[in-house]
Amino acid sequence: DQQVKQNSPSLSVQEGRISILNCDYTNSMFDYFLWYKKYPAEGPTFLISISSIKDKNEDGRFTVFLNKSAKHLSLHIVPSQPGDSAVYFCAATSYNTDKLIFGTGTRLQVFP
Amino acid sequence: DGGITQSPKYLFRKEGQNVTLSCEQNLNHDAMYWYRQDPGQGLRLIYYSQIVNDFQKGDIAEGYSVSREKKESFPLTVTSAQKNPTAFYLCASRPAYMNTEAFFGQGTRLTVV
Repeated sequence: DQQVKQNSPSLSVQEGRISILNCDYTNSMFDYFLWYKKYPAEGPTFLISISSIKDKNEDGRFTVFLNKSAKHLSLHIVPSQPGDSAVYFCAATSYNTDKLIFGTGTRLQVFP
Repeated sequence: DGGITQSPKYLFRKEGQNVTLSCEQNLNHDAMYWYRQDPGQGLRLIYYSQIVNDFQKGDIAEGYSVSREKKESFPLTVTSAQKNPTAFYLCASRPAYMNTEAFFGQGTRLTVV
């Protein structure tokens, strides 16, 4: 049972435009959500997170939106840059279990 | 510098042999995790631990074992019972019972021949 899903395996965006990566979850007990960026043969690096008490969090070019009723979150990258090309993972956890579950990832390619 | 270290970077083993992957952190984190990455499969949770001498199975624990004798260390043993052990293994740590990010090591590529 895949509790965290990223239904788009890949996304291609032109430099300067907006990239929108989506993530759905099934467990209503999740209360904290994270986005990571990953290059091949390296560990993921943390980008941005959001608590379930919020519906938006911004950090520079990155904004995460959370829609609890739809069990959906999205990562917006504006403007997209070629250096953003990587695989992006969303993850979810709950305060009382610490079990950290990742999605399957979306490969973002930003072209000039 | 504080961080999380996985060793070795590349590991080769013959089929049927057990192999142990190392994960050490000096971040003073209570929670530690092991994930496996296969192409198109994302990061799948193998085991995690919230405190010394305690750990829980993740979603794909069969064929793996762990120990947590020290706060800093969370080694993963890939046993001969694991049917498809060739993969990229990632270790992570974070404070327990806190909504904060996890930090990852650089991973170990295990190839079983």
